[in-house]
Amino acid sequence: QSALTQPASVSGSPGQSITISCTGTSSDVGGYNYVSWYQQHPGKAPKLMIYEVSNRPSGVPDRFSGSKSGNTASLTISGLQAEDEADYYCSSYTSSSTFVFGGGTKLTVL
Amino acid sequence: QLQLQESGPGLVKPSETLSLTCTVSGGSISSSSYYWGWIRQPPGKGLEWIGSIYYSGSTYYNPSLKSRVTISVDTSKNQFSLKLSSVTAADTAVYYCARRDIAARRFDPWGQGTLVTVSS
Repeated sequence: QSALTQPASVSGSPGQSITISCTGTSSDVGGYNYVSWYQQHPGKAPKLMIYEVSNRPSGVPDRFSGSKSGNTASLTISGLQAEDEADYYCSSYTSSSTFVFGGGTKLTVL
Repeated sequence: QLQLQESGPGLVKPSETLSLTCTVSGGSISSSSYYWGWIRQPPGKGLEWIGSIYYSGSTYYNPSLKSRVTISVDTSKNQFSLKLSSVTAADTAVYYCARRDIAARRFDPWGQGTLVTVSS
């Protein structure tokens, strides 16, 4: 199974909105609504931010939202804050009952 | 509040077997709602799913690692374990354990992670 494709980096200024894409195939992202997004600060464990494409766990700010179109899922962060600077990873369930992660995107808040 | 904690040797020699244990506290590993999984992250690189196990012992593995991976569960100790055989320097990584929700296919929460270095 191949890793999902994410941009290596994105950036934005405080208060702005950014979107991170996550492209897979019809055997993973496109075939199931089981896309999750994880935030990882340096030296820390990943934290679940979005699951089932667009659901937020309790405690995650509503500035974080997710969507999907075809084989591409997206994470949007609106009203960027300094603490949002981190690495973001997408993950998808696959037709083989396995999981695949994206390569990760480094978000820089300018 | 559910917590997971990885434990095991931080240094393994090439060609030997890496062994890690994840201890679950604040909840039962025998819950019918969850699988329990291992994910790793080489230094400076992305996340890689290794595999998952149900309390009954049912497992799923990453096809690229399947020939070298064994995940097992000990419900009496509320623990599950990872064995990765014939390791090389490419297996150097931070290894995380995590709970995997069956319905939503999400990993949450995660353990803090443990760095395993493969070196002679």
